Amino acid sequence: KAGVTQTPRYLIKTRGQQVTLSCSPISGHRSVSWYQQTPGQGLQFLFEYFSETQRNKGNFPGRFSGRQFSNSRSEMNVSTLELGDSALYLCASSLYGDNSPLHFGNGTRLTVT
Amino acid sequence: AQSVTQLGSHVSVSEGALVLLRCNYSSSVPPYLFWYVQYPNQGLQLLLKYTTGATLVKGINGFEAEFKKSETSFHLTKPSAHMSDAAEYFCAVRIEDQTGANNLFFGTGTRLTVIP
Repeated sequence: KAGVTQTPRYLIKTRGQQVTLSCSPISGHRSVSWYQQTPGQGLQFLFEYFSETQRNKGNFPGRFSGRQFSNSRSEMNVSTLELGDSALYLCASSLYGDNSPLHFGNGTRLTVT
Repeated sequence: AQSVTQLGSHVSVSEGALVLLRCNYSSSVPPYLFWYVQYPNQGLQLLLKYTTGATLVKGINGFEAEFKKSETSFHLTKPSAHMSDAAEYFCAVRIEDQTGANNLFFGTGTRLTVIP
């Protein structure tokens, strides 16, 4: 069974631009979560989607948004990029998103210049 | 408030020595506890989890962890370190809040170095 796939692996953007990251979960997994990982803040929860609905949201500004499609694939969008948005963005899928374990992708490393 | 604390952002051990990575949590309700490992340029991989039942949990790669409610701890151990164990380790706790939402909180991570 294929793992969680995130594309692209690397992105370089400039301040003010917007970016869309993609995540394909493990087949059959209905929950997709997004995390931001930085050296200073560690892993921070962005949001979780389940059956195309945002079920849970972390403490990030509205510039960060996401969506989930009927095939459970998910996208994350960041508008008006800031230097501080440079990070590794990790997507994780799980069967139901309750206490079932998370399966992580390898992440998208975003650099904002 | 719920939180996870990992004591020691860096731990170094000799190859063959005991590995002990510490994790303490704070929660007013029974938590679900996880340890994840992250190798360079990769995502996180589940090592082991505690939900209910036996408090000593065995995971992959020879790791195990013991849930101690009285100490609010879930320390990760391995009797004998291998070079391949060098990675960053994250403790995480999932707690259901009063709205019914399940939130997963990660510790800040411990980078394990194995010295030949």
